[in-house]
Amino acid sequence: ILNVEQSPQSLHVQEGDSTNFTCSFPSSNFYALHWYRWETAKSPEALFVMTLNGDEKKKGRISATLNTKEGYSYLYIKGSQPEDSATYLCHSGTYKYIFGTGTRLKVLA
Amino acid sequence: DGGITQSPKYLFRKEGQNVTLSCEQNLNHDAMYWYRQDPGQGLRLIYYSQIVNDFQKGDIAEGYSVSREKKESFPLTVTSAQKNPTAFYLCASSTLQMTGTGGLNSGNTIYFGEGSWLTVV
Repeated sequence: ILNVEQSPQSLHVQEGDSTNFTCSFPSSNFYALHWYRWETAKSPEALFVMTLNGDEKKKGRISATLNTKEGYSYLYIKGSQPEDSATYLCHSGTYKYIFGTGTRLKVLA
Repeated sequence: DGGITQSPKYLFRKEGQNVTLSCEQNLNHDAMYWYRQDPGQGLRLIYYSQIVNDFQKGDIAEGYSVSREKKESFPLTVTSAQKNPTAFYLCASSTLQMTGTGGLNSGNTIYFGEGSWLTVV
């Protein structure tokens, strides 16, 4: 993987459903993996920074895991709410802050 | 309150004109960045600066120029050489974290401004 890739590109879920999406990144020369939440008309906000293989971080209903050996991170949202609707970005890179294209999540009430 | 201020929020540019987007931060961050977002694409790095009076090209620097005369300020000029300037531009900053070989690494969180929409008319 030459760049950071996120999947799916967009996702619609019903309120109350749990969901997850993926960030894939180059596993060589890994330093850190960041997740951001970007609501429309606002600045992206940091969710998690993870550096160690096997790291798991949690903030309320949102959690993330990291596998540096295979080069991926999962972001999980448990019991999705309409206010979770946003674009979720990840970035990684040893000398450049390389972003994925983001996953656009829409939670339907 | 500490933060990053971008202006203007909306800007219209005529063909052949240069325009400058302002970015000011009061977070005392050493590093600043400019990104561009096009529909359906991620954030692409235009330029970044690690220290005053120094800056580096990102992945899509052609047609853009920057300056870093003060730690707080990192303006971006979109020149007439930029063939497709219509996009959403985000400025960001972070504390500086160096690798053992003196390069910049991605260990620190980036803080973003609210962005500027540029449209060519």
